[in-house]
Amino acid sequence: EDQVTQSPEALRLQEGESSSLNCSYTVSGLRGLFWYRQDPGKGPEFLFTLYSAGEEKEKERLKATLTKKESFLHITAPKPEDSATYLCAVQPSNNAGNMLTFGGGTRLMVKP
Amino acid sequence: KAGVTQTPRYLIKTRGQQVTLSCSPISGHRSVSWYQQTPGQGLQFLFEYFSETQRNKGNFPGRFSGRQFSNSRSEMNVSTLELGDSALYLCASSLPSAGDLHSGNTIYFGEGSWLTVV
Repeated sequence: EDQVTQSPEALRLQEGESSSLNCSYTVSGLRGLFWYRQDPGKGPEFLFTLYSAGEEKEKERLKATLTKKESFLHITAPKPEDSATYLCAVQPSNNAGNMLTFGGGTRLMVKP
Repeated sequence: KAGVTQTPRYLIKTRGQQVTLSCSPISGHRSVSWYQQTPGQGLQFLFEYFSETQRNKGNFPGRFSGRQFSNSRSEMNVSTLELGDSALYLCASSLPSAGDLHSGNTIYFGEGSWLTVV
């Protein structure tokens, strides 16, 4: 059974204080690992898809990396508007469909 | 380009009733998935439809059902509502091979339908 664990559950940062969020996964074969951002009361907003170990993707202050067992979302010099819940999900390669298994998320709070 | 549209956004139902939620995918997307999000269980996969056929199903009771129409729009139905069905129901759409390295496609979510069962 596919499993995704995110840590920490919650993270409080001062504006400008860089940090990393972790996503550990167990999957029989990985087709893709997805990162989403979710604001309160809204649907998840797509950030990145990573496909193979060693891959990195960047978007503004965010950089996602992938190994064979985990993914990291690095946040450089965060701003208060980066406050949100960050969700990680895996898509198995042994399934032809678009079914995602999500982790519990990391709730990020950035104080000014 | 319009995103994934879900209706209604908010609804309140009574235990024992049934509810139908609607989802219009992004134009050109033929795969539609449904998820349930609760504070205790997080985001859980309900089912996926592709070309009007259920392609995947999660571990939910038979009270949860869905369908997809020829224009790719989808509905999900929950019968005999229970208090524990109160949740945010999210619809996601994608091209058929989302997550495939060669396709580069991805999976987009709507804003969700908030269901409260009283």
